[in-house]
Amino acid sequence: GAVVSQHPSRVICKSGTSVKIECRSLDFQATTMFWYRQFPKQSLMLMATSNEGSKATYEQGVEKDKFLINHASLTLSTLTVTSAHPEDSSFYICSARSPVSPNTEAFFGQGTRLTVV
Amino acid sequence: AQSVTQPDIHITVSEGASLELRCNYSYGATPYLFWYVQSPGQGLQLLLKYFSGDTLVQGIKGFEAEFKRSQSSFNLRKPSVHWSDAAEYFCAALANNNDMRFGAGTRLTVKP
Repeated sequence: GAVVSQHPSRVICKSGTSVKIECRSLDFQATTMFWYRQFPKQSLMLMATSNEGSKATYEQGVEKDKFLINHASLTLSTLTVTSAHPEDSSFYICSARSPVSPNTEAFFGQGTRLTVV
Repeated sequence: AQSVTQPDIHITVSEGASLELRCNYSYGATPYLFWYVQSPGQGLQLLLKYFSGDTLVQGIKGFEAEFKRSQSSFNLRKPSVHWSDAAEYFCAALANNNDMRFGAGTRLTVKP
């Protein structure tokens, strides 16, 4: 299957700083990428849908000014957690679907474990 | 509202025993359905998917799932569980709005 690479896999940052997480589709062009957040022992909650060349669409309750999403190219989407706080500590996962077959399974990145201290 | 429900939060089975993980969906029309597995601290790996056609779907690692429209279910099964199958399992659905929704997950523990 297609490969989605997420970087970094783990990051620890201080409260008040910003952290950027990258999501790359390595062997296909993804016009749409998705960002999820997963709390311990819980399911994945969709945060936002990232569209190449346009603004991301955020789910209700997700602060767009805190979770900045940029999808500047067909192979890269970034999620920046701004002014991070300990409650932002979580597992963040991105996914992408090939535009050739949009109604197929999503390919997931390995996830990023963010710890804010 | 569109939703995916996994009624069992945690299941424990003995190695070699059979397994069934339940999944129900609530959508206006039948969505595309998926089962993913997640090991601790890892991303998601697709086990199998259902789009249309044969309602019994074969996946990787010896898993299968059966789509039952009358019950709005897509249960995952494996005839003989291995210790390496211990993980978190997620059922997911994809509708026309291009938005994949996940169930709460079922954590599988395998006893020796």
